[in-house]
Amino acid sequence: NAGVTQTPKFRVLKTGQSMTLLCAQDMNHEYMYWYRQDPGMGLRLIHYSVGEGTTAKGEVPDGYNVSRLKKQNFLLGLESAAPSQTSVYFCASSWGLAGGAMKQFFGPGTRLTVL
Amino acid sequence: KQEVTQIPAALSVPEGENLVLNCSFTDSAIYNLQWFRQDPGKGLTSLLLIQSSQREQTSGRLNASLDKSSGRSTLYIAASQPGDSATYLCAVIGAGSYQLTFGKGTKLSVIP
Repeated sequence: NAGVTQTPKFRVLKTGQSMTLLCAQDMNHEYMYWYRQDPGMGLRLIHYSVGEGTTAKGEVPDGYNVSRLKKQNFLLGLESAAPSQTSVYFCASSWGLAGGAMKQFFGPGTRLTVL
Repeated sequence: KQEVTQIPAALSVPEGENLVLNCSFTDSAIYNLQWFRQDPGKGLTSLLLIQSSQREQTSGRLNASLDKSSGRSTLYIAASQPGDSATYLCAVIGAGSYQLTFGKGTKLSVIP
């Protein structure tokens, strides 16, 4: 099993450009998440999905959009990139129960620089 | 709003020493608590998950404890090795929630 994979690994954008980050998981997990990690701020949840066709906002959703058209894929879009979106982006997936989410598995990350 | 604190922010120990990493959280209504390891430039690897009804979990040289009422968890590493050098992150999920709230981590260096 590949686990959680992310594409691309690195990207440099100019301010105002758009891009999509792709996350794929092969563990048949219901839940998927996008986080960003910044020095001094730790990991923060951007958006998440509790099933195919569903998405929800996390702690820092502004400037990002997401889609979950297939259970195994979760896409994160930046419509008009800003320097404040320079960060390392992590995707994660997990099983879920009625009481909450279970162990989360993380991808290797995408390092994004916006000039 | 849940807040997770990890103290110390960095720790340096000689090889072979037993050590304890601390995590505290402000809202005791949690579903579970997880400890992760992150190596430089890499993603997070889940080490241990403790359900809210459990007191501890063990995996090899690692033991994590949970005291939900006091809002505390500890990660005990026995007989530390240079390969244990990494940043250790604690995270909690609130009851009925899907969102992990992370601490900022403890950077551990094990000196040969």
